[in-house]
Formats: sequence, structure tokens, C-alpha cells
Amino acid sequence: DPKIIQKPKYLVAVTGSEKILICEQYLGHNAMYWYRQSAKKPLEFMFSYSYQKLMDNQTASSRFQPQSSKKNHLDLQITALKPDDSATYFCASSQTNWASAETLYFGSGTRLTVL
Amino acid sequence: GDSVTQTEGLVTLTEGLPVMLNCTYQSTYSPFLFWYVQHLNEAPKLLLKSFTDNKRPEHQGFHATLHKSSSSFHLQKSSAQLSDSALYYCALSGGNTGKLIFGLGTTLQVQP
Repeated sequence: DPKIIQKPKYLVAVTGSEKILICEQYLGHNAMYWYRQSAKKPLEFMFSYSYQKLMDNQTASSRFQPQSSKKNHLDLQITALKPDDSATYFCASSQTNWASAETLYFGSGTRLTVL
Repeated sequence: GDSVTQTEGLVTLTEGLPVMLNCTYQSTYSPFLFWYVQHLNEAPKLLLKSFTDNKRPEHQGFHATLHKSSSSFHLQKSSAQLSDSALYYCALSGGNTGKLIFGLGTTLQVQP
């Protein structure tokens, strides 16, 4: 059974609309993350949370807003969608984010296409 | 800033031949290095990571040696298997926020 659940698996949106990507982890981890993978670009760090608090934000645009309602949830709200936002968004978690050698566990991703 | 370079986008080889995927990095401190593997339509998952001492991490026949003098962490395997076909990412830890910095990735295609 998947321990990190991302919903939906595929998402198609129109330019200018707003979408929420869902992520829940059942590993008992205290840290959660969002990464983005787009064509010809590496996995790109977006946000990290620890105990529901934002630890790091590498996303320049305020259109991307993480939302953590519970320790094992980290959703990603994207507003005013643009075609350049088209990518696969991966949620990940780790036991903590205090140690540099933490192993990340990834969900299966949400593939977003913006038309 | 910190960065990871994987020079090969695609490596194609025949089953049974040795594998070597290159990874070099730039960092202002001594980071941990990782290899993640992503099979088709699956999530990336950890393959192996560097140790603080001089031990060589190994997993599923793969190993990598961290060479601080050359800032490298190449991935090697003595004999490729068809099931090794996947996308391999090298990554380094980016501080104490859990952030990982990934390279562009190398697709390994193993042919019969």
C-alpha cells in the first residue's frame, strides 16, 4: 500500500484557474516537502515543512501556497495557473529535516497540465 | 550556489556490462550525497547515500564512493540487469531544512 498518497494522479486545468494538489503521508514523519519535475529540468525543491511550520521556501511566486491542516497533510494550492506550471508535482516526507542525511520518501506525483 | 552535475542524459548498454553513472557536485560545505532511482511511472526512491566516514554505500549491487578531492559521487555496478533500466538522480543535501538539490538525471537503458 502506498504510504504517501497524492491526489489526483492527473490534472488538467485552464490558464488562470486555481487547483489544489493533495498529499497525505502515513509514515509517521514530521517533515514534508513539495518538489516539481518538469521537462528537461531536474527535480526542483519548492517547500519544506516541519511539524506543520514552513522551514524553507524556494518558490519565487506567491501563486504557490502550501497548506498543512494536519501533521501528515501538506496540500499545494496553485492560483492563476499558467502553461509553464505544467509539471509533475511530487510530495515527499522524511522523519525530520534537521539532519542533512535524511532519506526522502516520495509520493507517486500529480501530473498537472495547464492549457 | 550548490549544484549537481550529471553529464550523461542517456546511457545505453548491454545486459551484463558494467555500469558507471557520473556525478559531480559543487558545495560550500561538506554535504551528504545521494542517488535516487525512478522507474517508469513510479516515484523516485533512495538507492544509496554517502556516509560520514569512508565507508562505501552499497545497495542492490550498486555502489558509490564519495571523493571529496574531486567532488564526485559516481554510481557503479559490476553487471547491469534489464531491471536496472530507470532514471537515476544524484542529489546533495542543501542544509538543515531537508532540501535536496538534484542533478538533471541520467536515464539508463539496459538492452538484452
